[in-house]
Amino acid sequence: DQQVKQNSPSLSVQEGRISILNCDYTNSMFDYFLWYKKYPAEGPTFLISISSIKDKNEDGRFTVFLNKSAKHLSLHIVPSQPGDSAVYFCASRGISSGSARQLTFGSGTQLTVLP
Amino acid sequence: KAGVTQTPRYLIKTRGQQVTLSCSPISGHRSVSWYQQTPGQGLQFLFEYFSETQRNKGNFPGRFSGRQFSNSRSEMNVSTLELGDSALYLCASSLPNSYGYTFGSGTRLTVV
Repeated sequence: DQQVKQNSPSLSVQEGRISILNCDYTNSMFDYFLWYKKYPAEGPTFLISISSIKDKNEDGRFTVFLNKSAKHLSLHIVPSQPGDSAVYFCASRGISSGSARQLTFGSGTQLTVLP
Repeated sequence: KAGVTQTPRYLIKTRGQQVTLSCSPISGHRSVSWYQQTPGQGLQFLFEYFSETQRNKGNFPGRFSGRQFSNSRSEMNVSTLELGDSALYLCASSLPNSYGYTFGSGTRLTVV
């Protein structure tokens, strides 16, 4: 049972345009959401996060939106650059003590920014 | 400061063997988590250690085990390797109660 889903395995965007990566979750106990970026042969790198009490968080070219009623979050990258080409994972964190330190990841979306 | 260090980077083992992977967290980070990444599956949580104690465990068979030492370094062990264990194994460390997980570059395990 996938609690975090990234339904688009890949996305191609022209340089300078907006990239929108989507993520859906099913567990309403998640209290914190994160986006990670991963290049081949490297570990995931933290990008941006959002608490469940907010609906938007912005950091430079990256903005994460959270729609709790729809259990949906999205990552917007504006403007997209070729160096943004990577696999993007969304991750969620539970609030129960048993899962307090566990991140649940989606399967990832390969973003390709075309020059 | 040094990041999370995982050794070895690459490993080839045959079915039935066992393997031990090592992770040295960022200095001062006492929480270490392990994840398995396979194509199309994303990152699957294996276990988390804090102060030498396993605090949380994912849905993996008992062949997967780990431990943490007093200096926060962690090892994970997989016994009786199966072809399906071929994956990238990632270690992440963090400060207690922090949302910031820093990942290592991983160990690529291939079982033949």
